[in-house]
Amino acid sequence: ETGVTQTPRHLVMGMTNKKSLKCEQHLGHNAMYWYKQSAKKPLELMFVYSLEERVENNSVPSRFSPECPNSSHLFLHLHTLQPEDSALYLCASSLLKGGGPPYNEQFFGPGTRLTVL
Amino acid sequence: DAKTTQPPSMDCAEGRAANLPCNHSTISGNEYVYWYRQIHSQGPQYIIHGLKNNETNEMASLIITEDRKSSTLILPHATLRDTAVYYCRNTGNQFYFGTGTSLTVIP
Repeated sequence: ETGVTQTPRHLVMGMTNKKSLKCEQHLGHNAMYWYKQSAKKPLELMFVYSLEERVENNSVPSRFSPECPNSSHLFLHLHTLQPEDSALYLCASSLLKGGGPPYNEQFFGPGTRLTVL
Repeated sequence: DAKTTQPPSMDCAEGRAANLPCNHSTISGNEYVYWYRQIHSQGPQYIIHGLKNNETNEMASLIITEDRKSSTLILPHATLRDTAVYYCRNTGNQFYFGTGTSLTVIP
């Protein structure tokens, strides 16, 4: 239990569906992240939010749309996905603080296992 | 481009020390070295970080060379639950994970 929760844990969706992944952190952090991990591949950074503003968008297709309504919640809205988007989607958070290492250590949620049919 | 390089895989006997190396030859003077691990199908877990001095916590020890171009993560008494992929990175590459080292602890 890291203080970062993700729902749902498993999701199966068709290519025409719209769904959303939810992430919540209970650590008082002020930066949140989405990562994608396909089978047998390294984690790929998708989005970074710092103080509720998107600071990095790592060339992610527009069928993935992030939303960060406040510092504790992060969403990933999905629409018209492709089968190759099937992967483990991981959320992380960290605390920005002055004087220390930038972005500090990240705490990860358990992930959402997404299957696109 | 502050990338790190690690061996793709290692084995370690249960109860022995596991020493996992990482090269970060382009690290700059104010960049920290971080280590994480990922047990199969779970989110990565932070282990330890350091700047220039050796560090120890309840999970592991981190040895950083004097020139800071490489580091070694030491798990002093590896257990089967330490089987995982271990990643090192530095703050110049702060959001990114490479391919890591897949450590298998053998009974």
